[in-house]
Amino acid sequence: QKEVEQDPGPLSVPEGAIVSLNCTYSNSAFQYFMWYRQYSRKGPELLMYTYSSGNKEDGRFTAQVDKSSKYISLFIRDSQPSDSATYLCAMREDSGGSNYKLTFGKGTLLTVNP
Amino acid sequence: GAGVSQTPSNKVTEKGKYVELRCDPISGHTALYWYRQSLGQGPEFLIYFQGTGAADDSGLPNDRFFAVRPEGSVSTLKIQRTERGDSAVYLCASSFSGSSYNEQFFGPGTRLTVL
Repeated sequence: QKEVEQDPGPLSVPEGAIVSLNCTYSNSAFQYFMWYRQYSRKGPELLMYTYSSGNKEDGRFTAQVDKSSKYISLFIRDSQPSDSATYLCAMREDSGGSNYKLTFGKGTLLTVNP
Repeated sequence: GAGVSQTPSNKVTEKGKYVELRCDPISGHTALYWYRQSLGQGPEFLIYFQGTGAADDSGLPNDRFFAVRPEGSVSTLKIQRTERGDSAVYLCASSFSGSSYNEQFFGPGTRLTVL
């Protein structure tokens, strides 16, 4: 079993739909939870990060972390064609203030149709 | 300012050859990471530098892979005796160091194809 599981999709939705993406994980030491967006032939770019459990909202994007279930989600409201990309969840342990490696999910390919 | 840059953007080589991939991090970032992304997969950690030293190289798959960062800025990932299974996109990321969370900024990657 991989440390981070993510359904690769693909996921296709009409413009304006609410999109729900999620990941599960097995390592209870993970404390930082991130969502990256990756356009074709580009590097990942950070959308949002959350420390420990809870919700975080940024515009049309909401990230949720449930550490008791080892489950994280990203919701995209009013999805736009420009949101079409691969969405990667990533996690890392809290290494006491120093940087450390990220563990990624496989990524979910999202297409928003106009 | 400029982001993380990687050269070359594409590299095609033959099985058994040696390749070098270069990463220029964001100025002032002391932490540098290499990841490998195979087709249809998420990035997988290879090695992490703090300054000039490799703080964690646990992700390097075998001794054919080696990375250096001699002056604490530019880094080079070196692959000897390349194999077809080494074909992937090699991503570099950099970040500040210090307390709490520091975002890792990724470069566009080098697409390596081993024929």
